[in-house]
Amino acid sequence: EPEVTQTPSHQVTQMGQEVILRCVPISNHLYFYWYRQILGQKVEFLVSFYNNEISEKSEIFDDQFSVERPDGSNFTLKIRSTKLEDSAMYFCASDRGNSNQPQHFGDGTRLSIL
Amino acid sequence: AQSVSQHNHHVILSEAASLELGCNYSYGGTVNLFWYVQYPGQHLQLLLKYFSGDPLVKGIKGFEAEFIKSKFSFNLRKPSVQWSDTAEYFCAVSGATNKLIFGTGTLLAVQP
Repeated sequence: EPEVTQTPSHQVTQMGQEVILRCVPISNHLYFYWYRQILGQKVEFLVSFYNNEISEKSEIFDDQFSVERPDGSNFTLKIRSTKLEDSAMYFCASDRGNSNQPQHFGDGTRLSIL
Repeated sequence: AQSVSQHNHHVILSEAASLELGCNYSYGGTVNLFWYVQYPGQHLQLLLKYFSGDPLVKGIKGFEAEFIKSKFSFNLRKPSVQWSDTAEYFCAVSGATNKLIFGTGTLLAVQP
C-alpha cells in the first residue's frame, strides 16, 4: 500500500534558525495537510493545501510558517525563526479530496528546538 | 467551536477484557468521524471511519464504533483486547472541509 513519507525523522535546530520539513504525499492524492503534536498534547491541524495554494489554515499557522509544493512530488513546511515552543512532532497527511476518503499520515518529523 | 472530547486519558486492561473508549464531539452540520491508532514509534493509522449509513461501523483488528447522533458520540469498542492493542487511540471529526479535529487521545495499556 502506498505511504506518505516524511524526512527527516528527527531534526534538531538552534532557536532562531529556519527549518524545512519534507513530505512526499501519495502520488494520486490531491489534498495535502500538516498537523503538529506538541508532547503530551493533542494533534492539531496547521494547514491544508490544494491546487498549489492554501485551502485552509489554523490560527497557529501564522507568518512564521509557509508551505510549498516545489515539484510534482514534495510538499514542504518551512518554519522561520524557530522558537522553543515549535518543538513538536509534525505530521504530513494526504487524501484524494473525496468526502468519503480518509487521510493517510506519514511517520512524522520530531522537531527539537534548542 | 468545533471540538472532540475523549474522556479516558489512560486505560489499563488485562488481556481478554472488553474495551470501550468514549468520544464526544461538538460540530455544527454533517460530520465524518474517525478513530486513528498510533502504535509506539509508528504513524497514525486509520482504525475505522463513519461517513453515512449504518451507525455501527466495523474496522480493522476487531474494533467497532457506534455513532449516536443524539448523544454526539462515537465510542470505540472491542470485545476482547490483546497485548498488541497497546497504543494511543485518537478520535477525530471532519466536516465540510477535510481538516481533522482530534481529541486528546487515550493511552491504552494491555497487560498480558
